[in-house]
Amino acid sequence: DGGITQSPKYLFRKEGQNVTLSCEQNLNHDAMYWYRQDPGQGLRLIYYSQIVNDFQKGDIAEGYSVSREKKESFPLTVTSAQKNPTAFYLCASSIDGASEAFFGQGTRLTVV
Amino acid sequence: GENVEQHPSTLSVQEGDSAVIKCTYSDSASNYFPWYKQELGKRPQLIIDIRSNVGEKKDQRIAVTLNKTAKHFSLHITETQPEDSAVYFCAASIRNSGYALNFGKGTSLLVTP
Repeated sequence: DGGITQSPKYLFRKEGQNVTLSCEQNLNHDAMYWYRQDPGQGLRLIYYSQIVNDFQKGDIAEGYSVSREKKESFPLTVTSAQKNPTAFYLCASSIDGASEAFFGQGTRLTVV
Repeated sequence: GENVEQHPSTLSVQEGDSAVIKCTYSDSASNYFPWYKQELGKRPQLIIDIRSNVGEKKDQRIAVTLNKTAKHFSLHITETQPEDSAVYFCAASIRNSGYALNFGKGTSLLVTP
């Protein structure tokens, strides 16, 4: 199960706090993605990055921010502006667009 | 964003029967169509994929068909087994999102012995 690693597996956030989810890959993939999964909603794209130092908003980017300073890393920050952050967050990477996406094991974020 | 519609949302079959899940997409530039299986609490895992220059692909008990003209593709699982029980997601690449994958809402498949 190596290749793409997310941490932590579980995360609890107080209202008004920012939290950062880690995603690291050693697959030498150029493209990386963040998805949010809610029950019955499938996976929705938050942000994506096709190459280091570049990233674009997905369908539900509001209240989230990312950086891509290194090819291996694509951290996601859930800001206090995200009103309903409780969800399962999945990071993925692929060689390029239109190729198999490999997923991390996910981070379950809960607001307490 | 571009839509991927998936049906049915739940599917129950008896062991040994076939299961079919159907998806439609709206982006005519989509060129990659994977299917993922997700077990409870785990990450999605690719089970089969197809590209736009192919109409059908098989891998043992699993097959995928693609109709680009009609913009729909389907997953076929034959001789189902209880361990096939999981949530299945279809996806299509989205041109306007750097060809990131846009997912359907999933089908919960239950195979009863």
